[in-house]
Amino acid sequence: GAGVSQTPSNKVTEKGKYVELRCDPISGHTALYWYRQSLGQGPEFLIYFQGTGAADDSGLPNDRFFAVRPEGSVSTLKIQRTERGDSAVYLCASSPWGQVNTGELFFGEGSRLTVL
Amino acid sequence: AQTVTQSQPEMSVQEAETVTLSCTYDTSESNYYLFWYKQPPSRQMILVIRQEAYKQQNATENRFSVNFQKAAKSFSLKISDSQLGDTAMYFCAFNTGKLIFGQGTTLQVKP
Repeated sequence: GAGVSQTPSNKVTEKGKYVELRCDPISGHTALYWYRQSLGQGPEFLIYFQGTGAADDSGLPNDRFFAVRPEGSVSTLKIQRTERGDSAVYLCASSPWGQVNTGELFFGEGSRLTVL
Repeated sequence: AQTVTQSQPEMSVQEAETVTLSCTYDTSESNYYLFWYKQPPSRQMILVIRQEAYKQQNATENRFSVNFQKAAKSFSLKISDSQLGDTAMYFCAFNTGKLIFGQGTTLQVKP
């Protein structure tokens, strides 16, 4: 596709359930980022992939959060035993190799997660 | 710690007038990149303007310009001839390998 695609657009789940959020980056972009954005706040960094490997996962809040990118393209953010505090918009972004430090990130429209 | 601070949670401006959004940051890096992003209600973040820290000349993009003061670690955004479509949340960010965002400023352009 032309842009970063995220599915689902909206997800409502119950406390304690497991959820997966998917991100399909721009074709050819080797860098992929996950951010979490709470209402009225700036995006908070979660994890960054360069290719298939996680180059920086320092933003993952705890071991309930995990992300994979097995083939260096699509990524899945996985949240176990969801809590009400996990409710937020989860943004995915991608960037071409060589522009990780210098260039813009291209964002998707996000997945809004609501934990009841 | 690397931080970005936007001290204006909300601002408003009349259509066709000029408005300036403030941003300060803290980093020990000597070379980095600064950005302003716009986030309309559709949620998708859109790059407005970029500044390279080693360049003294302030970046401009049509109606958008920045005032970059490296010593003061200040990076403000000026929007000239404001338009209704500029209504959005604006985020200041800097990049040293990952983008660090400020808290955002909600801008409303009034007709």
